[in-house]
Amino acid sequence: QSALTQPASVSGSPGQSITISCTGTSSDVGGYNYVSWYRQHPGKAPKLIIFEVSNRPSGVSTRFSGSKSGNTASLTISGLQAEDEADYYCSSYTSSHTHVFGTGTKVTVL
Amino acid sequence: QVQLVQSGAEVKKPGASVKVSCKASGYAFTTYGISWVRQAPGQGLEWMGWISTSYGTTKYAQNFQDRVSMTTDTSTSTVYMELRTLRSDDTAVYYCARDETAVKDYWGQGTLVTVSS
Repeated sequence: QSALTQPASVSGSPGQSITISCTGTSSDVGGYNYVSWYRQHPGKAPKLIIFEVSNRPSGVSTRFSGSKSGNTASLTISGLQAEDEADYYCSSYTSSHTHVFGTGTKVTVL
Repeated sequence: QVQLVQSGAEVKKPGASVKVSCKASGYAFTTYGISWVRQAPGQGLEWMGWISTSYGTTKYAQNFQDRVSMTTDTSTSTVYMELRTLRSDDTAVYYCARDETAVKDYWGQGTLVTVSS
């Protein structure tokens, strides 16, 4: 199972919106609505920010939103803040009943 | 509150095995599975496998199929991950995460496993 493809880095200025893509295949992202997103600050454990494509866990800011079209899922962060500077990973369930993560995206707040 | 507490850092020699524990609290243990995820230094997240805490059934990633074992002890609400025949590229932080329907909503603090001769 190959990792899902994410851009290595995305940057934006405070207050702007950015979007991170996550491209897979019809055997993972495109085939299931079990796509989730995680944020990881340096030296910390990942934190769930979006599950089942577009749902936010309780306590996660409404600035985070998720969507999916075909084999590509997307995470949008609106009103970019300094605390959003972190690594972001998508993940999907697969047709082999396994899970796969994306390659990860480093978000920089300019 | 939900907590997953992992065992401490380990240093192992190549060819040895390591067993990492993950003790859950704050919820009904058998209502959620547990996934194990690892992260090599400076690298991304890699899913290793999942165990049902109620039935003990497992699903492993192909990369680890022949070297990993995951077990559960419902009496202590603890899940174990054993990785055998360690190599230097198994040096990583290993995380457990509460996981049902591929949603990893709570994570342990991570366990650093260093493989070095």
